[in-house]
Amino acid sequence: DQQVKQNSPSLSVQEGRISILNCDYTNSMFDYFLWYKKYPAEGPTFLISISSIKDKNEDGRFTVFLNKSAKHLSLHIVPSQPGDSAVYFCAASPLGTGTASKLTFGTGTRLQVTL
Amino acid sequence: NAGVTQTPKFQVLKTGQSMTLQCAQDMNHNSMYWYRQDPGMGLRLIYYSASEGTTDKGEVPNGYNVSRLNKREFSLRLESAAPSQTSVYFCASRDRKYGYTFGSGTRLTVV
Repeated sequence: DQQVKQNSPSLSVQEGRISILNCDYTNSMFDYFLWYKKYPAEGPTFLISISSIKDKNEDGRFTVFLNKSAKHLSLHIVPSQPGDSAVYFCAASPLGTGTASKLTFGTGTRLQVTL
Repeated sequence: NAGVTQTPKFQVLKTGQSMTLQCAQDMNHNSMYWYRQDPGMGLRLIYYSASEGTTDKGEVPNGYNVSRLNKREFSLRLESAAPSQTSVYFCASRDRKYGYTFGSGTRLTVV
């Protein structure tokens, strides 16, 4: 039972264009959502997050959109750069469960930004 | 500022052998976690520790044990390794506000 789904295993985008990575979730208790970026042979690193009280959060070239009614979030990268090539994981957590809040991760999308 | 340190980085075990994966964090975080990453499966939670002295099972705990030795250290033990435990293992810690800080991972192969 995959509660967080990333249906696109891979995505290829030209440098300078927009990259859109999608994520769907099924658990209505999830209130906090994060995106992580992972390079080969490294651990995932935090990229951007959004709580359910917002529908958009922006940080430089990265914007996350949340549609609670559709249980869908997306990560937009504009403009895409070759250094953005990595695996991106969507993650979700219920709020209000204290510091032990466990993140549930999606299966990841491998983004390749071509020249 | 090391963050989360995992050892070893690579390990090959024979079926039935045991080993302990070590994890330490220097950020004074209360919560620590062990995940495994497998192709097409994302990251799945094995065990976590909300605070020193407490541990709880995650999504895939079978075949593993953990010890929260102190606030800094959280180890994962495989008592009798099986080929199905071939994976990349990540340790993470978490502060109150943000997401996790991950270690660089341990790539384990069980033959």
